[in-house]
Amino acid sequence: SQQGEEDPQALSIQEGENATMNCSYKTSINNLQWYRQNSGRGLVHLILIRSNEREKHSGRLRVTLDTSKKSSSLLITASRAADTASYFCATDEQGGSEKLVFGKGTKLTVNP
Amino acid sequence: DTGVSQNPRHKITKRGQNVTFRCDPISEHNRLYWYRQTLGQGPEFLTYFQNEAQLEKSRLLSDRFSAERPKGSFSTLEIQRTEQGDSAMYLCASSFRGDGYTFGSGTRLTVV
Repeated sequence: SQQGEEDPQALSIQEGENATMNCSYKTSINNLQWYRQNSGRGLVHLILIRSNEREKHSGRLRVTLDTSKKSSSLLITASRAADTASYFCATDEQGGSEKLVFGKGTKLTVNP
Repeated sequence: DTGVSQNPRHKITKRGQNVTFRCDPISEHNRLYWYRQTLGQGPEFLTYFQNEAQLEKSRLLSDRFSAERPKGSFSTLEIQRTEQGDSAMYLCASSFRGDGYTFGSGTRLTVV
């Protein structure tokens, strides 16, 4: 079963705009991760935020985590055509195994 | 080290045949994971190893699926008596402490 649910399912923006993707999950977690996947390729780890953190930055990426609402957001600032990809959030269950549970992803298209 | 390597990249097989995929993780990583991804979905957990020990298997991993990681290095995933429903991308990932997976490019299986 998939725990994470990304929203929106698809997002199309112009280069230079910001892109915001949201993720909701169901159980208590140790950490939440965001991954990017270019079409037909493997996933690339972007950022990990632990359950005791509220916000984290990495370059043009900003991730927030609200454990009370069981939700996270990924913000990509000043988007580029190369950011076109699918973005997935993944969670592990607190007290559970190390496996990650992925959502269905948000397909981001950045138009030049 | 060039990351996680998966072979073959693509495999087309006839229904009923057996197939085997190989994954070479990052050498320092003691954890290795197999996931399956179908079109439009996020990756689904199949199994995971810590060193040579297979610590968890998903219910998705029917008795036709078997995975090994001899000597805690590379891993193989075998599917016996393939069915059309097995058509998917099979992803391998590795990590050092369970944080931030490094994924391979995947093996795309098509069962005809």
